[in-house]
Amino acid sequence: NAGVTQTPKFRVLKTGQSMTLLCAQDMNHEYMYWYRQDPGMGLRLIHYSVGEGTTAKGEVPDGYNVSRLKKQNFLLGLESAAPSQTSVYFCASSDQSAGELFFGEGSRLTVL
Amino acid sequence: DQQVKQNSPSLSVQEGRISILNCDYTNSMFDYFLWYKKYPAEGPTFLISISSIKDKNEDGRFTVFLNKSAKHLSLHIVPSQPGDSAVYFCAALNYGGSQGNLIFGKGTKLSVKP
Repeated sequence: NAGVTQTPKFRVLKTGQSMTLLCAQDMNHEYMYWYRQDPGMGLRLIHYSVGEGTTAKGEVPDGYNVSRLKKQNFLLGLESAAPSQTSVYFCASSDQSAGELFFGEGSRLTVL
Repeated sequence: DQQVKQNSPSLSVQEGRISILNCDYTNSMFDYFLWYKKYPAEGPTFLISISSIKDKNEDGRFTVFLNKSAKHLSLHIVPSQPGDSAVYFCAALNYGGSQGNLIFGKGTKLSVKP
């Protein structure tokens, strides 16, 4: 049972490069989220989706875009990466509004 | 301004003893609270939750206590085991508010010594 899968697990980018993180869930959950975790900062919500075709901004959305074209996938894009976006990114899904979230294993992104 | 605060970055406890992890919140609109556990190189996993209509919720070795007047909750682990060593995040939610509004604390790293 895969649950929530994130790809890639690790990526190194140069400043200004673009990339996309893919999140896939096989639990038929309506809600999906992207968080970032930084040392001493806990988990901060970047963007979220309450269903296929919907997206909304979270606490720290600047510099990121998202898309939810299919219910099972939630993509996080960085159009022009900056060193401040060096972080560990976690995708999560749930079958109701927040509450119990199921997280992926994380994607470590380094921007040089 | 932090809405969910975990003021102890770390806690060390002897195996078999009680671990108490604390969490304070400032937003009186929060009405649902959760604890997540995170091992290194893994995503957080849900541990236990409590609604604001309760003051205690128990699940095996884990008990969460909620003191609404003090805006304080705590997670008790009894007895503590070495496998409990992880980072514990407190999170809060306003169920009647905007969706996706789960606010996390910064986490407390628990080390259980054999």
